[in-house]
Amino acid sequence: AQSVSQHNHHVILSEAASLELGCNYSYGGTVNLFWYVQYPGQHLQLLLKYFSGDPLVKGIKGFEAEFIKSKFSFNLRKPSVQWSDTAEYFCAVLNTGFQKLVFGTGTRLLVSP
Amino acid sequence: EAGVTQFPSHSVIEKGQTVTLRCDPISGHDNLYWYRRVMGKEIKFLLHFVKESKQDESGMPNNRFLAERTGGTYSTLKVQPAELEDSGVYFCASSQRGGGFSYNEQFFGPGTRLTVL
Repeated sequence: AQSVSQHNHHVILSEAASLELGCNYSYGGTVNLFWYVQYPGQHLQLLLKYFSGDPLVKGIKGFEAEFIKSKFSFNLRKPSVQWSDTAEYFCAVLNTGFQKLVFGTGTRLLVSP
Repeated sequence: EAGVTQFPSHSVIEKGQTVTLRCDPISGHDNLYWYRRVMGKEIKFLLHFVKESKQDESGMPNNRFLAERTGGTYSTLKVQPAELEDSGVYFCASSQRGGGFSYNEQFFGPGTRLTVL
């Protein structure tokens, strides 16, 4: 079965610091990968996705992620975080054919002003 | 355009009681999904409807959980009788119907926080 690991459960950063959240997945075939974000009191929303092509994917709000097939990784990055990036971030892989998302445990990011 | 809505936002019930959660998908979305997040753990898939048909219910924990989507519009998830381990946040998501293995983005609702005492 597919699984997703997020290494950091809690991350605390100061504004303007750089961010990298780790994500590894277990599936060895063709993968579709996602990062979702849940801001306090809001819905889960899609940050970015990778299906194919350029392994460096750019998403909303200055976020990007890099798909490294050899490392089974899809780490999320942002060069300079803002207080408004405080949220919980979820990495997910699509179980293709069944259309269901398999999520990691999430990483809570707190950005202090 | 209205997003996915869920009702109630919070529910607190006692062990052994029944609770029904409701999800209204985005209008026109044939696909409807239920997910659950138990505290501190990952968001886990429960089941997937295509219109009124259950496409995949492999994630349903046991027969105390019953999901329906009569008429292919809104869906309900009933837990009867509720147990302590059913506590968590229940998310609903919907997406447009795609052909074959194509994927359409899943849009999530705000979730229902269920607490079983």
